[in-house]
Amino acid sequence: DQQVKQNSPSLSVQEGRISILNCDYTNSMFDYFLWYKKYPAEGPTFLISISSIKDKNEDGRFTVFLNKSAKHLSLHIVPSQPGDSAVYFCAASESGENTPLVFGKGTRLSVIA
Amino acid sequence: AAGVIQSPRHLIKEKRETATLKCYPIPRHDTVYWYQQGPGQDPQFLISFYEKMQSDKGSIPDRFSAQQFSDYHSELNMSSLELGDSALYFCASSLAETQYFGPGTRLLVL
Repeated sequence: DQQVKQNSPSLSVQEGRISILNCDYTNSMFDYFLWYKKYPAEGPTFLISISSIKDKNEDGRFTVFLNKSAKHLSLHIVPSQPGDSAVYFCAASESGENTPLVFGKGTRLSVIA
Repeated sequence: AAGVIQSPRHLIKEKRETATLKCYPIPRHDTVYWYQQGPGQDPQFLISFYEKMQSDKGSIPDRFSAQQFSDYHSELNMSSLELGDSALYFCASSLAETQYFGPGTRLLVL
């Protein structure tokens, strides 16, 4: 049973446009959410996170939105750049520090110049 | 900035052999996590340690064991290796909620 779902395996976006990656979750105990970017043969790189007490967190070109009632979060990348092409993983954890992450299956983003 | 270090980066073993993977967390991070990522899959949590004590246990086979040492580095010991153990093994460390991942060890079991 996949508790974190990324229903789009891939996404193509033109350079300069907005990329929107979506993530849904089923476990109502999750209260901390993260996005990671992963290149082949490398470990996941932390991008941005959001706590359940917020509905938006912004860091440069990256913004994460959380809709707790819909159990949905999204990552917006504006403007998209070719270097953003990678697999993006959504992850979630239950309350408290030192708790394991549950990952979605990832979305492969291709930014076309 | 210092990152999580994993060794070796690549490992080839035969079935029924043993393997030891090492992880050196970011300095001052007190929690270490191990994840396994099979081909085309999402990372799956195996086990974690906080202040050298086992903290959480996920889908780790009984053939695997792990520990965290006094210098906070961790080792994942894998015995009686099976073909299905071929995967990327990631270590992550944290001081609070955010986990930072190492580059991974790619294990191939022949």
